[in-house]
Amino acid sequence: GESVGLHLPTLSVQEGDNSIINCAYSNSASDYFIWYKQESGKGPQFIIDIRSNMDKRQGQRVTVLLNKTVKHLSLQIAATQPGDSAVYFCAEYPRTSGTYKYIFGTGTRLKVLA
Amino acid sequence: GAGVSQSPRYKVAKRGQDVALRCDPISGHVSLFWYQQALGQGPEFLTYFQNEAQLDKSGLPSDRFFAERPEGSVSTLKIQRTQQEDSAVYLCASSLGSNSPLHFGNGTRLTVT
Repeated sequence: GESVGLHLPTLSVQEGDNSIINCAYSNSASDYFIWYKQESGKGPQFIIDIRSNMDKRQGQRVTVLLNKTVKHLSLQIAATQPGDSAVYFCAEYPRTSGTYKYIFGTGTRLKVLA
Repeated sequence: GAGVSQSPRYKVAKRGQDVALRCDPISGHVSLFWYQQALGQGPEFLTYFQNEAQLDKSGLPSDRFFAERPEGSVSTLKIQRTQQEDSAVYLCASSLGSNSPLHFGNGTRLTVT
């Protein structure tokens, strides 16, 4: 199948270690953020979201941190598994009149080493 | 199925041909989005529907691109007179409304030769 993210920044982590994927967003008016996982040949899959009135949100093995001061978002994956290997995108929703688009970052490829 | 369904999965078109890409969103989802994803890039917004109304088409790259959702459910993205730079994966997503997660289909990979 086709490959996603041939020239993306790559993060390599050992199986069982924690992973941290970072994202800088562009619009200070953005009030909703989502992390997606995309495997080769598939569409982006929702992982976790966070609204701007929160700094942290936890899911199963994943945590999203939001720093509005520096417009930075991070995704932490605990005990990284081989199935976590994929390209990860952050997306922001700028609440701007007349536009409805979610803006995606360029992505980070996560490689899990056995 | 319960997810967003897109067809065809792959489409090869000769330069100058017209193509039509179909999206079946999740039942009950009001919002529908089309995105274009080039190899090695993040998805780029094309257009947005709320029910049958196309509220944002600011991302459509040219007037060769046209999208419709006549009954507020199934949507079609049409590209006329395809060119090589149109080669990409076209992703459809639906959601319950604004500030809700987008649920994506697996996309249609368009190759223009």
